[in-house]
Amino acid sequence: DAGVIQSPRHEVTEMGQEVTLRCKPISGHDYLFWYRQTMMRGLELLIYFNNNVPIDDSGMPEDRFSAKMPNASFSTLKIQPSEPRDSAVYFCASSLTESTDTQYFGPGTRLTVL
Amino acid sequence: GENVEQHPSTLSVQEGDSAVIKCTYSDSASNYFPWYKQELGKRPQLIIDIRSNVGEKKDQRIAVTLNKTAKHFSLHITETQPEDSAVYFCAATVGGGADGLTFGKGTHLIIQP
Repeated sequence: DAGVIQSPRHEVTEMGQEVTLRCKPISGHDYLFWYRQTMMRGLELLIYFNNNVPIDDSGMPEDRFSAKMPNASFSTLKIQPSEPRDSAVYFCASSLTESTDTQYFGPGTRLTVL
Repeated sequence: GENVEQHPSTLSVQEGDSAVIKCTYSDSASNYFPWYKQELGKRPQLIIDIRSNVGEKKDQRIAVTLNKTAKHFSLHITETQPEDSAVYFCAATVGGGADGLTFGKGTHLIIQP
């Protein structure tokens, strides 16, 4: 298996632009998580899905952030409009079921908002 | 919600010595405690984990201990090697793979040759 796949790996955009980050979880995994990593705040959970349904989005910073999972093999995290403080590495992770524990992380997307 | 504190933020040890990283958590309902290693520019990777029904777990040079009463858990690395240099994160969650992880702020482990 290729593991969790994220695209793009790097994104540089201007303030005010829309940004879309993409994630393909490991095949067969029921849970998908979006995390954000910054030097100041560390690794933070933004939102997670179970069987394509959002379960907890309390970590989403504000209405500019939205996430979808239209099917079991694809999720997007969108920021509109983007701001410089959104600059971070965004990780997607997936896990098999509630009875197994390991969350496998993707390579991350490094977002820079100028 | 859960809060995880991790210490120290930086740890420098001589190659071959042991390293210990400590974490405390606030939610007594938390029952799963993974440790992740992150090398510069790479993704976090699970190195060991423990569930609350176990007090200690070992995997070669790595061990994790859990004290549920005190709500703290620790990572122990023995016979440290240069490739152990990285940032280590502890985390806690109630639901294991079915719940989001709350991470500590990380420990930068430096192995001195």
